[in-house]
Amino acid sequence: EAEVAQSPRYKITEKSQAVAFWCDPISGHATLYWYRQILGQGPELLVQFQDESVVDDSQLPKDRFSAERLKGVDSTLKIQPAELGDSAMYLCASSLGASGGAYNEQFFGPGTRLTVL
Amino acid sequence: DAKTTQPNSMESNEEEPVHLPCNHSTISGTDYIHWYRQLPSQGPEYVIHGLTSNVNNRMASLAIAEDRKSSTLILHRATLRDAAVYYCILRDVRNTDKLIFGTGTRLQVFP
Repeated sequence: EAEVAQSPRYKITEKSQAVAFWCDPISGHATLYWYRQILGQGPELLVQFQDESVVDDSQLPKDRFSAERLKGVDSTLKIQPAELGDSAMYLCASSLGASGGAYNEQFFGPGTRLTVL
Repeated sequence: DAKTTQPNSMESNEEEPVHLPCNHSTISGTDYIHWYRQLPSQGPEYVIHGLTSNVNNRMASLAIAEDRKSSTLILHRATLRDAAVYYCILRDVRNTDKLIFGTGTRLQVFP
């Protein structure tokens, strides 16, 4: 069964350093999402891509976070510089994308747990 | 964005039915009701969704109140593997596939 791949699974960094997370969605999925999940809370959407275009980044802290999906397949989320409050699980999800109003469920990867010291 | 209210936690015994409630009194006509669950150390996974009518699939059933202000996710026979956080989410059909998660209900299942 196809899965969303993420790497690394765990990342420990010091504040002010740069970190990057990678996501490979399920083949053929046009929509890709990055979420942040703080311990004890539900996932919060950071950015949504449709193919290579950003369709929603309203919750992305753009002063330090950036995301790209250059060829419309895999994606990278970067934080520079990392702050203590960025410690969280970063989840990637993908879906087929909008198609005639039918709902396409989101498939989530295992996440990257970031610890900022 | 419409909000949902769920109990923080619930408990069940294995092989018993589980009814997970969700209140969404401010639901609009364009909101679908979705349920996702998150097993320990995993990303969330889709469970079920519906608009007005009750829905069944291999994982669960979704019962929607006639006024749509509340819904219930039904697990017919809980297993240990069903221990997870269950999220009830309203999705505005005008906003494509965007999901806004709350804090969910943590379900514990005892042998």
